[in-house]
Amino acid sequence: KNQVEQSPQSLIILEGKNCTLQCNYTVSPFSNLRWYKQDTGRGPVSLTIMTFSENTKSNGRYTATLDADTKQSSLHITASQLSDSASYICVVRPANAGNNRKLIWGLGTSLAVNP
Amino acid sequence: NAGVTQTPKFQVLKTGQSMTLQCAQDMNHEYMSWYRQDPGMGLRLIHYSVGAGITDQGEVPNGYNVSRSTTEDFPLRLLSAAPSQTSVYFCASSYSARENNQPQHFGDGTRLSIL
Repeated sequence: KNQVEQSPQSLIILEGKNCTLQCNYTVSPFSNLRWYKQDTGRGPVSLTIMTFSENTKSNGRYTATLDADTKQSSLHITASQLSDSASYICVVRPANAGNNRKLIWGLGTSLAVNP
Repeated sequence: NAGVTQTPKFQVLKTGQSMTLQCAQDMNHEYMSWYRQDPGMGLRLIHYSVGAGITDQGEVPNGYNVSRSTTEDFPLRLLSAAPSQTSVYFCASSYSARENNQPQHFGDGTRLSIL
């Protein structure tokens, strides 16, 4: 069964500190892996999209890495800000998703950045 | 640009009532979709559309209907509301139905309670 598991479930850090969120997946083969940020009461916003051949992709203070051999991805947040408080969701698109675009969504890591 | 706009933001219904959740995008995107987000579960695809006049079922289509008469609009209809349909509903769009690596743009959701 295709699964995406994220850890930790929740995390609290101080403003200015770095953190790393983990995503393990069993989806194989896969087309791409995405990270989304979801603020409370808002819809998800795309941070990065990596194909199976990419190892890293950055978006400002957010850097995603991908190891397709171990089926692991991480999202590193540098110099955290209060506005980084949100849920971060890992999403994998199976290679055979076809026309129904069935993405496999993780449950997210809830990050709280405290002053 | 407004992006993806969903209305209403909140709605309370009684069991058996019907209603339509509205979704509009102003980015000329081909692909549009509806998801529901429930506690402890990843986003689940309800219905999707790859262009005007074309719709198809996602992962959890029962109890919902959609239509796509224009590129901009993709309403979701609840035929006879049930308490199990209490959820947060998100509409999303992306530029191309054929391009795998396009980010999805989400609206801010409709929070629906069925009593």
